[in-house]
Amino acid sequence: EDQVTQSPEALRLQEGESSSLNCSYTVSGLRGLFWYRQDPGKGPEFLFTLYSAGEEKEKERLKATLTKKESFLHITAPKPEDSATYLCAVGGSQGNLIFGKGTKLSVKP
Amino acid sequence: DGGITQSPKYLFRKEGQNVTLSCEQNLNHDAMYWYRQDPGQGLRLIYYSQIVNDFQKGDIAEGYSVSREKKESFPLTVTSAQKNPTAFYLCASSFKRTGETQYFGPGTRLLVL
Repeated sequence: EDQVTQSPEALRLQEGESSSLNCSYTVSGLRGLFWYRQDPGKGPEFLFTLYSAGEEKEKERLKATLTKKESFLHITAPKPEDSATYLCAVGGSQGNLIFGKGTKLSVKP
Repeated sequence: DGGITQSPKYLFRKEGQNVTLSCEQNLNHDAMYWYRQDPGQGLRLIYYSQIVNDFQKGDIAEGYSVSREKKESFPLTVTSAQKNPTAFYLCASSFKRTGETQYFGPGTRLLVL
């Protein structure tokens, strides 16, 4: 069964304190790994798609990496506006996405 | 601007009532999806459609129904058979190919009176 596990559930950082979020997955044939950001009461906002081990993508203070078993979302020198829930998903065989439960990030000034 | 719209933002359902959530996209995407989000849980797939006039059940389809009469529209009806409908409902769309990125609408929060 395809499964996605995110850790930690919650992460509190001071502004400027870099860290990483983890997404481990088991899937029968990876059809893409997706990172989204979700603010309270809003729909998920697309960040990155990764397709093969070794692939990396960056956007501002965020960098996503992928291995055969997990993905990391690295946050460098975060700011309070980076506070949100970060969702990880893998592509399922039906074309749907299988989501983890998310990591809630809080960045304090 | 291209995007996905959902309406209403908030919806209240009385017991025994069917309610319909709207989802429209102008991204020229073939595939559309409905997810349900509950606190502390990941998004779960309700229904999806890869082409007009065709749709498939997802993991939690019981108590829900959909239609896909137009490429741009994929309404979701929450029927009276859905005993625990209170949740945040998200619509998404993508190009049809497997592994394509899905883009989400702003969501509809359904509450039971």
